[in-house]
Order: sequence, then structure tokens, then C-alpha cells
Amino acid sequence: NAGVTQTPKFQVLKTGQSMTLQCAQDMNHNSMYWYRQDPGMGLRLIYYSASEGTTDKGEVPNGYNVSRLNKREFSLRLESAAPSQTSVYFCASSEIARLDTQYFGPGTRLTVL
Amino acid sequence: AQSVAQPEDQVNVAEGNPLTVKCTYSVSGNPYLFWYVQYPNRGLQFLLKYITGDNLVKGSYGFEAEFNKSQTSFHLKKPSALVSDSALYFCAVRDLDNAGNMLTFGGGTRLMVKP
Repeated sequence: NAGVTQTPKFQVLKTGQSMTLQCAQDMNHNSMYWYRQDPGMGLRLIYYSASEGTTDKGEVPNGYNVSRLNKREFSLRLESAAPSQTSVYFCASSEIARLDTQYFGPGTRLTVL
Repeated sequence: AQSVAQPEDQVNVAEGNPLTVKCTYSVSGNPYLFWYVQYPNRGLQFLLKYITGDNLVKGSYGFEAEFNKSQTSFHLKKPSALVSDSALYFCAVRDLDNAGNMLTFGGGTRLMVKP
């Protein structure tokens, strides 16, 4: 039981490049989330998926897109990376949205030059 | 709107001494409160949560938190700190009476426990 896994662990991009961050959970959770963590700002919600087939914007969705591929997988895509997207990205999952404890992956450290 | 504040960027405590990491929140309805811990280069780990009931909540690794409605606080405590408790701690809140809200995290407090 691996919990929440994320790939890659580290990534360096040039401005304008695109990439997809992958997340998978093996806890049969219904809800999944993408956060970004910046120093002194805590975690800010980018997008979430309350259940398979649905996605919704969080606090800071601009510049990102998501896909809930199936119940296990939730990907985050940067279409045209910008230096302001340099951050640590965390994926999380919970059994149901809003009312349940979230479990986090190990994170992806992204640098955009 | 909901918000959470962690007024201290860093807390220093000697091993064996009690520790407190402060958290205050603002919601218009009833709060659902969490504490998470983050060790270096790791994701956040759940410590404890409060939704209703006893104001003193016990969690993992000997941590506890006290919910104080009048002071809108949810401070994290431990009677005797360990060096291994050194990490980044996050408080989070959700307004239970606002169905559209997700979790809001504080900026984090770095706990340094010195031998």
C-alpha cells in the first residue's frame, strides 16, 4: 500500500515548456487535490476532483489544467510554464471531499527558468 | 471567507520542555480544524483534527490540540518535546457551514527542538 505517489520528484523547465505532473493513489479514495507550496504561504489549492469525472478550480488555477483519468489518477498540466510556477507541488486524496482527512504525496519540486 | 493564521514563523524549544505552536482561525460558521506536520523533503502527514466534541484533541506522536471557540484558536501542544519533532507544522481550517469551501492552510511554523 503505497498511499499517494507522485512523479517526477524533481523537474527543471524553461519558460514556455509544458509538462504533466502525475499522481496516483491506491486507497480507493474518491477525492483528489493538487496544491502548490511556496515559502511562507502554506499550501494553496490549484484544482480538485471531488469524484471521478469531475474537476473544479481551487484558489490558484490560472496556468494549470487537470485530468481525472480514473479513480486512481489525477494529473496536473502546465501548458506554458512561467517562472512564477516555480514551486513544490503536492497531490492529496481523501475518501470524500470536504469532510475527510487528506493524505499527501511526497511532492514534486519544479523549477522554471 | 475563511482564513487561518500561524503567528510564529519559528518556535525554538529545548528537548524535554513543553511546546506550543499557535494557530488562530476565522470562519463565519463552525470550524473543522486540522494540524499537519511536514518533515524535510516529504509530504504533509496528518496529526489530528477537530470537528466537534471534546475541546482537547489527542493525535499522533503524543501531540494534542486545544480548541478554544471564544479565542478562535487551535494551538498544538506536546508535554515533552523530542529532537525528532523538529519539522514544519501547518494548521488548516474549513468552514463546515459553507459547502463550497475547501481547506485553507496557514503559512506554517517551523519547530526547532534542540538537545
